[in-house]
Amino acid sequence: GDSVTQTEGLVTLTEGLPVMLNCTYQTIYSNPFLFWYVQHLNESPRLLLKSFTDNKRTEHQGFHATLHKSSSSFHLQKSSAQLSDSALYYCALSPQGGRALIFGTGTTVSVSP
Amino acid sequence: DMKVTQMPRYLIKRMGENVLLECGQDMSHETMYWYRQDPGLGLQLIYISYDVDSNSEGDIPKGYRVSRKKREHFSLILDSAKTNQTSVYFCASGTGTTEVFFGKGTRLTVV
Repeated sequence: GDSVTQTEGLVTLTEGLPVMLNCTYQTIYSNPFLFWYVQHLNESPRLLLKSFTDNKRTEHQGFHATLHKSSSSFHLQKSSAQLSDSALYYCALSPQGGRALIFGTGTTVSVSP
Repeated sequence: DMKVTQMPRYLIKRMGENVLLECGQDMSHETMYWYRQDPGLGLQLIYISYDVDSNSEGDIPKGYRVSRKKREHFSLILDSAKTNQTSVYFCASGTGTTEVFFGKGTRLTVV
């Protein structure tokens, strides 16, 4: 079935360092939609960025990700982490678009001074 | 103003009691969702609704049922709540191609 894998449960880093969160997915459909959602403490998840175009970089609020269908990956990156980036990050898959969103287990990012 | 509203925000119930969680949206979205969030498990889909009276089971439907009689309202019902249903429940609306909007969540404790 369709699934999303996020390998890191917790990422801790120092402010100013780069961050990369891994996301891989499985689906039989050839045109999936991939998303990153961010959830700050005591808030609800909100969309950070999305993509459905193979090998095209998408950016928002200093974060970027590229959908690579060849490796079924959609890793999230940022060149310089800020304290305000501390949050829970979810990778999500919509296998056919317009259908249910399937979430990974999430990666907690903790940025310290 | 695009909004998903969940009521109540906090709820404590005894085991065996019935629970009703309500959700509304003002964006005329056809698709609405109920997820539960547990540490280490992420957001797990309970039910998805594609429109009025068009509901499908998600990954963990056991112990839950839903009702959608108006496009803007989607209810989650727990008949005879169990302690393992203690969780944070999120309602959401939107499509899988654009953006899904989440409510603020309901923190349910079953004792």
